[in-house]
Amino acid sequence: SQTIHQWPATLVQPVGSPLSLECTVEGTSNPNLYWYRQAAGRGLQLLFYSVGIGQISSEVPQNLSASRPQDRQFILSSKKLLLSDSGFYLCAWRQTGHNSPLHFGNGTRLTVT
Amino acid sequence: AQSVTQLGSHVSVSEGALVLLRCNYSSSVPPYLFWYVQYPNQGLQLLLKYTSAATLVKGINGFEAEFKKSETSFHLTKPSAHMSDAAEYFCAVSSSSNTGKLIFGQGTTLQVKP
Repeated sequence: SQTIHQWPATLVQPVGSPLSLECTVEGTSNPNLYWYRQAAGRGLQLLFYSVGIGQISSEVPQNLSASRPQDRQFILSSKKLLLSDSGFYLCAWRQTGHNSPLHFGNGTRLTVT
Repeated sequence: AQSVTQLGSHVSVSEGALVLLRCNYSSSVPPYLFWYVQYPNQGLQLLLKYTSAATLVKGINGFEAEFKKSETSFHLTKPSAHMSDAAEYFCAVSSSSNTGKLIFGQGTTLQVKP
């Protein structure tokens, strides 16, 4: 069966520090991969998605970036965190095909202080 | 372009009462629709999905949803609410583009009162 791992679960970082969140998927190949963010009391905001190794699409301009160095690995990064980067970050994967559901990781709670 | 509207950001029901969470979609092609549930500080969990096989879809935890093309709706229901159903619920539609994106509604927070 397929599983998705996302870490760390919680993170407290000072403003201006770098960020690296990692997500890996097991039990499938060539998945579509996604990074979402939830700010407090708000819905899901799609940040990045990837349909293959090295292929990253950005949905919103910001100081975050994403990379996909391996087929089942998706990394969210920042060189310098802002207070507004605080939120709940969710990684998700999906098989190709419009009827395939998204499968989410357990999320990372990021607090920028 | 596809879109999803969830009517009511907060819904409150008594334990044992009917749960009805509303979702309307807009799609130029036959839609694939999904309902997800999110408990505090957790990821989203798939409740059910509509993929055109049957208009009434049964999901986990006693939830079901009915696809009504004439009303462009996909409302989520449960006959009897449990305290454990308190969570946030998201409706989503699959984008018709090749990006593989799901388009989510803004979510509905379900409160269950004892």
